Amino acid sequence: DAGITQSPRHKVTETGTPVTLRCHQTENHRYMYWYRQDPGHGLRLIHYSYGVKDTDKGEVSDGYSVSRSKTEDFLLTLESATSSQTSVYFCAISEGQGADGELFFGEGSRLTVL
Amino acid sequence: LAKTTQPISMDSYEGQEVNITCSHNNIATNDYITWYQQFPSQGPRFIIQGYKTKVTNEVASLFIPADRKSSTLSLPRVSLSDTAVYYCLVGVPRGSYIPTFGRGTSLIVHP
Repeated sequence: DAGITQSPRHKVTETGTPVTLRCHQTENHRYMYWYRQDPGHGLRLIHYSYGVKDTDKGEVSDGYSVSRSKTEDFLLTLESATSSQTSVYFCAISEGQGADGELFFGEGSRLTVL
Repeated sequence: LAKTTQPISMDSYEGQEVNITCSHNNIATNDYITWYQQFPSQGPRFIIQGYKTKVTNEVASLFIPADRKSSTLSLPRVSLSDTAVYYCLVGVPRGSYIPTFGRGTSLIVHP
């Protein structure tokens, strides 16, 4: 299995508090992604990164920010959590260029915002 | 990005062959077709990828007609453990590829 670790795996927080989810990889893959998964919506891309300090928005980026200061870490921050951000968050990595683009996913982080 | 359309859900029984079709009418010349499988409480995992005709691996087969406007994932002799959501993605898996997942097809295999 690809070396991807998400933390925390479970978190309960209150509306208005900041939350940071961490994705750590040991594969040295260039591309990293954050998705959220909600019933009836499948997986939706929040943000992605194509290198250190290089990030871009996905389809549901409002209310989220990301940072990638090292190849191995991709952080997702909810500046002020809202109940609509209750979801399961998945991190994925990909080698991208020169490879078949296969995505490897973490085990997910379940976030509940009360 | 090419839009994909899949059935929302399918039911089958153990031992049967299951075919899940994905429509992608505006697929581009360089696009590949990739399928992922997701079990409950897990992240998706890659099953198979193809460009044209037929691809087979130890898990599934992928059939792509000449016009490439659709593709069919075939799971031979399914078991209960094949109960999962299956996603069809279309795109060029290189460089700045942005993998876009839809709702997928929820397959339930019955005893």
